[in-house]
Amino acid sequence: GQNIDQPTEMTATEGAIVQINCTYQTSGFNGLFWYQQHAGEAPTFLSYNVLDGLEEKGRFSSFLSRSKGYSYLLLKELQMKDSASYLCAVTTDSWGKFQFGAGTQVVVTP
Amino acid sequence: DGGITQSPKYLFRKEGQNVTLSCEQNLNHDAMYWYRQDPGQGLRLIYYSQIVNDFQKGDIAEGYSVSREKKESFPLTVTSAQKNPTAFYLCASSIDPKRFQETQYFGPGTRLLVL
Repeated sequence: GQNIDQPTEMTATEGAIVQINCTYQTSGFNGLFWYQQHAGEAPTFLSYNVLDGLEEKGRFSSFLSRSKGYSYLLLKELQMKDSASYLCAVTTDSWGKFQFGAGTQVVVTP
Repeated sequence: DGGITQSPKYLFRKEGQNVTLSCEQNLNHDAMYWYRQDPGQGLRLIYYSQIVNDFQKGDIAEGYSVSREKKESFPLTVTSAQKNPTAFYLCASSIDPKRFQETQYFGPGTRLLVL
């Protein structure tokens, strides 16, 4: 079966760093996406990893280890607007079907 | 501006009623998708379409139906057979599903509530 695990909720203070972990067990792997979703809104694309290693994009970085079935999203210099749910998604089938984790709710406090 | 639109934003369904959720994109994307999102759960795939006049069932297709008569449009009908339709419904599209590095773009969603 397909299984993607993320913590349910994380809390951090403004200006701090938070690391959101995602572990996956899927039949097939064509890449891993991270999305940000504010309450009641559409998910928006943050990053894509298909090779092992770290991808940095401004305050956000994403890491992938294919051998361990593990990824993390690192949010630096947290801002209040970063309070949102962060979704991990793995593309599996030959046509790029997405399997989503349940999302991690990040709460940024002053 | 290119994007995906969904309407309505909120939809109320009476018992035994079919309702249709609209999804339109002007991104010239080949593939379109419908997801359902429930609290505490990830997005679950209802139906997807890789090309006009073709669509496939996703993981939770029972009680739903779709059509893809035009490239831009992928409406979802929630039938009376769907016993627990209350959820947030998200439509998405991607330029070419075989280009794995390409993200899916999401519409703003429709929240369906049962009266």
